[in-house]
Amino acid sequence: DGGITQSPKYLFRKEGQNVTLSCEQNLNHDAMYWYRQDPGQGLRLIYYSQIVNDFQKGDIAEGYSVSREKKESFPLTVTSAQKNPTAFYLCASSSTRGASGNTIYFGEGSWLTVV
Amino acid sequence: GQNIDQPTEMTATEGAIVQINCTYQTSGFNGLFWYQQHAGEAPTFLSYNVLDGLEEKGRFSSFLSRSKGYSYLLLKELQMKDSASYLCAVRDNYGQNFVFGPGTRLSVLP
Repeated sequence: DGGITQSPKYLFRKEGQNVTLSCEQNLNHDAMYWYRQDPGQGLRLIYYSQIVNDFQKGDIAEGYSVSREKKESFPLTVTSAQKNPTAFYLCASSSTRGASGNTIYFGEGSWLTVV
Repeated sequence: GQNIDQPTEMTATEGAIVQINCTYQTSGFNGLFWYQQHAGEAPTFLSYNVLDGLEEKGRFSSFLSRSKGYSYLLLKELQMKDSASYLCAVRDNYGQNFVFGPGTRLSVLP
C-alpha cells in the first residue's frame, strides 16, 4: 500500500542526546515536510523540502536538522540544541504537480519524550 | 506574514449542525484545506476549496470566500465520533507550503 511510514512511534531522549526520526514515503511525492505539534496546539512547520538535495527552514527550525538525499526519505534529527523537544512529530508529503487540490498526506506520527 | 485563526473550542449536541470558522491572511493562496484530527493521531483530509462557494461531501461541507479571507466547515447530523480537532490550512503559491491554523477542538455531547 502507498503511504508514509514514520519510525519509531515512541522515542525517549536523554538530555544532551541527538535523536533521528525516520520518514519514508512511496507516493512518489516531490515535497516532504516535518511538523511539530504540542498538546492542544496546531501544527508548526520545522523544515520542508521541495526536491532532492534541497530543503528550507520552517518557522521553528532551531535545534533541528534534516537531509534529503533520496526522494523517498526525509529524516529529522532533533539535536541537543533543541531545549524543549517533547512533542508529537508529524512527517508529511504532497505532490507539487498537477491540480492545486493535491492535499498533504501525513504519517502516523512520532512521540518524542525527554527523560 | 502568515496568520490563520480558528476558535479554540466548540461544543455541540449529537444530531445537531455545527459551523467552524476560519479566517486567514497569507502571502499567497493556492487552496484551503480542512483536516480532522483525533487525539494522538495524524490529521486526515476532509475537504478542499480553491474557488469561492460551497463544496459538499456527505455530512461535511466547506465554504470559501477569497475576498474576505474566510472559510467555514459545516458538519451536519453530528455523531459522537465527530469529537476531534478540526484544522484549517492554506496552501501558499510560492513554496507550495501548507500553513495550519491552531485547530478547533469540537466536543459532541449526547
